[in-house]
Amino acid sequence: DAGVTQSPTHLIKTRGQQVTLRCSPKSGHDTVSWYQQALGQGPQFIFQYYEEEERQRGNFPDRFSGHQFPNYSSELNVNALLLGDSALYLCASSLDWQGNSPLHFGNGTRLTVT
Amino acid sequence: RKEVEQDPGPFNVPEGATVAFNCTYSNSASQSFFWYRQDCRKEPKLLMSVYSSGNEDGRFTAQLNRASQYISLLIRDSKLSDSATYLCVVNIRGQGGKLIFGQGTELSVKP
Repeated sequence: DAGVTQSPTHLIKTRGQQVTLRCSPKSGHDTVSWYQQALGQGPQFIFQYYEEEERQRGNFPDRFSGHQFPNYSSELNVNALLLGDSALYLCASSLDWQGNSPLHFGNGTRLTVT
Repeated sequence: RKEVEQDPGPFNVPEGATVAFNCTYSNSASQSFFWYRQDCRKEPKLLMSVYSSGNEDGRFTAQLNRASQYISLLIRDSKLSDSATYLCVVNIRGQGGKLIFGQGTELSVKP
């Protein structure tokens, strides 16, 4: 039973560039959320997708956008990268979008912006 | 004020010690509460949910005080393998599956 898988594991980008991160949810899960975790901080909620729609959004600028596909996998896109976007980006999946079931996290994508 | 605040760390304890972590939350509409564990450079993993009546899982005990908006985690008989960062997590009613994480408290258990 595959858990949540994310790609790539590491990424180095330059300021101003764009990046796309990918996530496949745990088998049987239909809801995907994305979190940003800066060094020494807890994860911060970016957004959540269910039925290919953004259901909830955290306090992140429009440079952060996402998508969910019919097979429940998801992408996180970040445009016009800033140095402050350097962080661990975590994808999590769950059985429901209303917070009634626990999240299962992937290993994350470590993004470095130089 | 942060929505979820935890004890500053790190906590350095000897094996066998009992250690307690505290967490406060600011939103009275908080409805679900969790403790997650995160090992260095790894993803967070659910340690336990926290129920109103308090709950125990082996050496781990979680307590919730809704009136004080306070959550705690007690670890008895600490093991070296308990060394990790412990994250207090809250879900707010009406905000779907959005989880709000505290900044985490680092625990280091020494031989």
